[in-house]
This record gives sequence, C-alpha cells and structure tokens, in this order.
Amino acid sequence: GENVEQHPSTLSVQEGDSAVIKCTYSDSASNYFPWYKQELGKRPQLIIDIRSNVGEKKDQRIAVTLNKTAKHFSLHITETQPEDSAVYFCAASVGTGGFKTIFGAGTRLFVKA
Amino acid sequence: EAQVTQNPRYLITVTGKKLTVTCSQNMNHEYMSWYRQDPGLGLRQIYYSMNVEVTDKGDVPEGYKVSRKEKRNFPLILESPSPNQTSLYFCASSSTSEDEQFFGPGTRLTVL
Repeated sequence: GENVEQHPSTLSVQEGDSAVIKCTYSDSASNYFPWYKQELGKRPQLIIDIRSNVGEKKDQRIAVTLNKTAKHFSLHITETQPEDSAVYFCAASVGTGGFKTIFGAGTRLFVKA
Repeated sequence: EAQVTQNPRYLITVTGKKLTVTCSQNMNHEYMSWYRQDPGLGLRQIYYSMNVEVTDKGDVPEGYKVSRKEKRNFPLILESPSPNQTSLYFCASSSTSEDEQFFGPGTRLTVL
C-alpha cells in the first residue's frame, strides 16, 4: 500500500544551525505535500506545503524541496531557534484524486540554546 | 473565530461500551477527516469525507464508523471499543483533500 517514510526520527541541533528532515513517498500520483508542526500537548499546524508542479518553496527560515522523479521531499529550517523544538510531520495526498492523506511517523527536533 | 471543535477532550471508558466523539467545523469546509495518533506511528487516517453523505475508509478503519449528515459535523463512532483503540484522536477539516488541514484540539481516549 501507499506509505510515507520520514527520517530521522530524532534530530538535535545547536541554536543557529540548520535542520533537515527528509521524506520519501510511494504513490507516484501524489500531488500535495504538506508539513505540520506539533508542539507538546498541542494540535498539528501547517507550516509549509508544496504541490507537484513546484520544485521548491520558501517562507522565511523554512523551505521545502520536492523531487518527483525520486519521490522524495525535504524540510529545511535555517537559523534554528529554541521555539522550533517540536515534532514535525510530513504528509502526502495519495490514491485516486488524492483523497487520502498519509503522514510520516514524525521527527522530534530539539534545538539546544 | 474559525475553528474545529471536538468533544469530549478526555474520555475513559470500558471495553464494549459504545461511544461517540463529536467534531464540528465552522469554516464551510467540504473535506473532513479523523486521525489517531500513537507514539512512533505518526498520524494515521481512520476515515475521511469528501462532502455530505460521502465517506470513505482511510488506513485504519477497523472498529470505527463515521457519518456526515451535515457539512459541519463529522462524528466518530466506536460501536464496541477495545483497549487497542486507546489513543489520541484528531478531527481535521480543509477545503479539499489537497489543502491545509485544520485540526481540532484532540480527544484522549482510554479503553479499559
């Protein structure tokens, strides 16, 4: 079946460094790839998304890249800050019409001050 | 205020006692979805709905039912809960399946 793999499961960086989280997906028909941030005890919230007709998208310190040929996409956070500490989930729309959503298992990011 | 609400937020129940978790959104979204979140497994989609009276199975539908009689409401029904359904449940809504999903606050369910 369709799946989304996410790596690493845990990532620890020093404040000011960059963090990269990578995801691969199996459904070649996937067109929509969102990233969600979940702080401890809170609900997931979208931080950035990308569609299959775009290779890269940036929003201030956050960027996402997509390689449809290789079926992988990555989240890049530059100049990390302690408030970036959270769990990050990648996801992909799958199935006919993209009606289902498959999430990766999540990456717990620690930013050390 | 645009939001997704869920009730109850916390529930402890016993095996076999039917329960319903309600979900409501006020953004006129067509797409709604239920997820369960378990440690190390991320968010797994239980059921989704493209519009009123249109529902379909996600990845882990066994033991759950849903209905979509009105656009704003999407209740999750556990006819006979079992301990393996102990989890954190999130409802979400979006304009379409390929747009930002807005999540409810979550319902922590414990089945004894």
